[in-house]
Amino acid sequence: ETGVTQTPRHLVMGMTNKKSLKCEQHLGHNAMYWYKQSAKKPLELMFVYNFKEQTENNSVPSRFSPECPNSSHLFLHLHTLQPEDSALYLCASSQDGAQGANYGYTFGSGTRLTVV
Amino acid sequence: AQTVTQSQPEMSVQEAETVTLSCTYDTSESNYYLFWYKQPPSRQMILVIRQEAYKQQNATENRFSVNFQKAAKSFSLKISDSQLGDTAMYFCAFINNAGNMLTFGGGTRLMVKP
Repeated sequence: ETGVTQTPRHLVMGMTNKKSLKCEQHLGHNAMYWYKQSAKKPLELMFVYNFKEQTENNSVPSRFSPECPNSSHLFLHLHTLQPEDSALYLCASSQDGAQGANYGYTFGSGTRLTVV
Repeated sequence: AQTVTQSQPEMSVQEAETVTLSCTYDTSESNYYLFWYKQPPSRQMILVIRQEAYKQQNATENRFSVNFQKAAKSFSLKISDSQLGDTAMYFCAFINNAGNMLTFGGGTRLMVKP
């Protein structure tokens, strides 16, 4: 158990569905992140939250909508996705700022998303 | 913007042998940190080793060590006495001193053969 828990582990959804991915960390970290991992592409940073405030949005389409109600929880709301959005979605957390730089990020095991 | 490049998509090594994975990066910053992460089939990204750019001494963690060449912007990972459990994807990653964006290379798939 890494301290970062993601649910569900697998998700299959149709293009007209609405679903949400959940991430929870019990490490006392203040920053949380969503990454997308596609086959044959480097991990792409999607969103960054520091102290519940979104500080980065890496040109992510609006069909992905993040939510961070507190420093321990992070959601990714999905709607009207496309088949090319099928990927592994990884959540990570870290201490804020220089601490995060020093110790890196702690990752969850990801949600394998398939859009049909 | 920083970029991280791993030029070896796949590698294999015999059990108990030594293997070196390559990584280069590009940045204009002088203070930063470098990491190697391991991603086994379980998908969980596990931190293997970290290096602080202002330290000249190469980091070592048991069977894992790095060769950090700051001027060349090179950061390779050496795995000694390879074990079957080392089979995984290995990612090199860079982060600046502000700590707000961990950037990954494309990964190297390592297969340890019995």
